[in-house]
Amino acid sequence: NAGVTQTPKFQVLKTGQSMTLQCAQDMNHNSMYWYRQDPGMGLRLIYYSASEGTTDKGEVPNGYNVSRLNKREFSLRLESAAPSQTSVYFCASRGGVPYEQYFGPGTRLTVT
Amino acid sequence: AQRVTQPEKLLSVFKGAPVELKCNYSYSGSPELFWYVQYSRQRLQLLLRHISRESIKGFTADLNKGETSFHLKKPFAQEEDSAMYYCALSGGSNYKLTFGKGTLLTVNP
Repeated sequence: NAGVTQTPKFQVLKTGQSMTLQCAQDMNHNSMYWYRQDPGMGLRLIYYSASEGTTDKGEVPNGYNVSRLNKREFSLRLESAAPSQTSVYFCASRGGVPYEQYFGPGTRLTVT
Repeated sequence: AQRVTQPEKLLSVFKGAPVELKCNYSYSGSPELFWYVQYSRQRLQLLLRHISRESIKGFTADLNKGETSFHLKKPFAQEEDSAMYYCALSGGSNYKLTFGKGTLLTVNP
């Protein structure tokens, strides 16, 4: 099992460009999450999908959109990138008991 | 609202010394608490969950509901323990995780 995979690993964008971060999991988990990690801020939840077909905003959703394509895949889209979106993005998934989340390797995004 | 506080951004100890990483939480119900570890530029990995009462890599953590704390302890730190440690709380039907801001542990030789 690959667990949670993310593409790309690194990306540099110019202000105003758009891109989609991809995430997939092969653990048959219902719930999937997108976080951003910034120095001194910990991990902050951007969006999550409790189950296939549903998505909800997290703590910092502005400037992002998500799509739960199917049970395996959950993508994060930046429509018009801004320097404030420079961050490391982590995708995670969660199965049943005992409810911990499993994380992908992260995408390091720089917006210039 | 749920909140996790890790009061120390940085913690530095010498190899062989005891280490305690503090975590306090705020939650009105019965929380599930976790410790995650992130080694340099790697993904977050689950270290401990309070419900299991286990010891992983020599680390233990006890949930103290009276003090609303879930401190992580290890009696003898090793250099390979150097990493970022995050305390996290899960509560509610959607099982979102709320993370603390993390403590960077450095174990010096």
